[in-house]
Amino acid sequence: KNEVEQSPQNLTAQEGEFITINCSYSVGISALHWLQQHPGGGIVSLFMLSSGKKKHGRLIATINIQEKHSSLHITASHPRDSAVYICAVSNMDSNYQLIWGAGTKLIIKP
Amino acid sequence: DAGITQSPRHKVTETGTPVTLRCHQTENHRYMYWYRQDPGHGLRLIHYSYGVKDTDKGEVSDGYSVSRSKTEDFLLTLESATSSQTSVYFCAIRDRLIYGYTFGSGTRLTVV
Repeated sequence: KNEVEQSPQNLTAQEGEFITINCSYSVGISALHWLQQHPGGGIVSLFMLSSGKKKHGRLIATINIQEKHSSLHITASHPRDSAVYICAVSNMDSNYQLIWGAGTKLIIKP
Repeated sequence: DAGITQSPRHKVTETGTPVTLRCHQTENHRYMYWYRQDPGHGLRLIHYSYGVKDTDKGEVSDGYSVSRSKTEDFLLTLESATSSQTSVYFCAIRDRLIYGYTFGSGTRLTVV
């Protein structure tokens, strides 16, 4: 079993829909990261969370430490949000190295 | 990304030749990382550095070496490239362990 599980693996939605991507982890963490990668593109760090909730524009990230679960929400989705969204955790036991989820491929249709 | 550049962006090389990829930062961050990204595997850590001349292996370090003689530069060397090292290589930096990562734009390496 992977230490970081994301769901869904693939998600297709219509423009304007509210999007939720989930991440569950099974290890102790110091922080959880959400990153975005556009096709053929670089990787952009969206959020780093250790508790609670963070918001940036139309993106919201939440984390529940007790449940070992995080969600990334996109409000009023737009075709330019189409990308792979990756969850990763920093683990104290592995010298804070990132443990990566497999990513969620999001396609927003106009 | 501002503050971190990778070179070259693309490279095609022959099996058995040495290859060096460069990661350069202007942020004076302590930590630097080399990852490779392959379909079906996501990102995997090759080597990382936590200071000048301080480096350590990641999960897929075989066939790779690194050097960091200056804070701003972290070099990844494939001593004798193999086709299995065809991949996209990403460099990343972070200032302190409590801060987030910044990634470079990636180097697409093809070994023929």
